[in-house]
Amino acid sequence: GEDVEQSLFLSVREGDSSVINCTYTDSSSTYLYWYKQEPGAGLQLLTYIFSNMDMKQDQRLTVLLNKKDKHLSLRIADTQTGDSAIYFCAESTSLYMDSNYQLIWGAGTKLIIKP
Amino acid sequence: DTEVTQTPKHLVMGMTNKKSLKCEQHMGHRAMYWYKQKAKKPPELMFVYSYEKLSINESVPSRFSPECPNSSLLNLHLHALQPEDSALYLCASSQKSVNYEQYFGPGTRLTVT
Repeated sequence: GEDVEQSLFLSVREGDSSVINCTYTDSSSTYLYWYKQEPGAGLQLLTYIFSNMDMKQDQRLTVLLNKKDKHLSLRIADTQTGDSAIYFCAESTSLYMDSNYQLIWGAGTKLIIKP
Repeated sequence: DTEVTQTPKHLVMGMTNKKSLKCEQHMGHRAMYWYKQKAKKPPELMFVYSYEKLSINESVPSRFSPECPNSSLLNLHLHALQPEDSALYLCASSQKSVNYEQYFGPGTRLTVT
């Protein structure tokens, strides 16, 4: 079945760039997403990329998609303490005959910022 | 406005209680979702409403009963819950029934004693 994998932790120094990686298995994915969840809070949609794109940039965030390797990454430039959170990668794919799409989630990567 | 609101923020209930969680959005979205999230885990889909009709029920026990009174509101009625049902319950919405750009509420932290 479909699977999305992420490493569980990433530790970076404040001011450095963070790169969070994600791999997925379903080649029919349509959209790939990055969500951010701060402690005790809901999920915030950070950015998403359509599967026919290679890159998307939005201020400090850069998403890179390698369709051949089924690899997605999120780069956060100039990482700040406010970026401390769990980052979830998710893909949407049609699982049902009525074309409802479902999100398949990675386990989440906890980003730890060192001073 | 990309806000989804949920009430209450926290809820403690006994195993014999009946309570309800509420979710509201005013973005004109026609798909609404209930998720359950355990600590440090990704959210698990419970229910999907599309155009106010239940379109997906992910084999959720009947002690959870969803309701969509209108296109802006989504409720989750709780009855005879178990301690293992303690979790963060998240509501989300998206345009139509396609999952791109799902917007999440802050969640209700539920504790079953």
